[in-house]
Amino acid sequence: AQKVTQAQTEISVVEKEDVTLDCVYETRDTTYYLFWYKQPPSGELVFLIRRNSFDEQNEISGRYSWNFQKSTSSFNFTITASQVVDSAVYFCALSGGAGGTSYGKLTFGQGTILTVHP
Amino acid sequence: GAVVSQHPSWVICKSGTSVKIECRSLDFQATTMFWYRQFPKQSLMLMATSNEGSKATYEQGVEKDKFLINHASLTLSTLTVTSAHPEDSSFYICSARDTYNQPQHFGDGTRLSIL
Repeated sequence: AQKVTQAQTEISVVEKEDVTLDCVYETRDTTYYLFWYKQPPSGELVFLIRRNSFDEQNEISGRYSWNFQKSTSSFNFTITASQVVDSAVYFCALSGGAGGTSYGKLTFGQGTILTVHP
Repeated sequence: GAVVSQHPSWVICKSGTSVKIECRSLDFQATTMFWYRQFPKQSLMLMATSNEGSKATYEQGVEKDKFLINHASLTLSTLTVTSAHPEDSSFYICSARDTYNQPQHFGDGTRLSIL
């Protein structure tokens, strides 16, 4: 069975602060994919990143960066110099790789509500 | 590219009626579509997976007779909530992908309220 844990239920920061959202996962699959999605108040899910389990390189995209550490089964997400528009619910998700029972199915964490105050 | 359209965005109806939600892939062929349900302030829970031309595969605990899923073409899947009751009120989101290697693309969701 797959499991994704986002221990932080809610985070509140002031604009321009850096913030890290934690994600820890469990899977028996040897290959898998990790994702982050953003869900603003309007409800739609916005895809942010997908990471293959074989690729442990950290990634940076503008103010966003991701730290994937297989040794600790973590895939943390950092927003640098946060802005009010970053306020949303952020979901970490996991899907199994080819050959696994969870191939293609997304298992979501509980989500972290991020509020950025001006 | 990779746009998924979901309709309607909002629906309010009386208890006992059936409601149909459509999910369309606008610029790609969706061999697989997924249906999720999200209660307020909770995570998304996968309800079922549908492959074009096949019967949907439901997750444990999801009533297949209650939530009818049809995926008759490569661009359209529908979810019908039959004889809806207030406890079926929720946010329903579909997603679609063309191949196993590609990430899922999500629709904007449907807020269903049963009175």
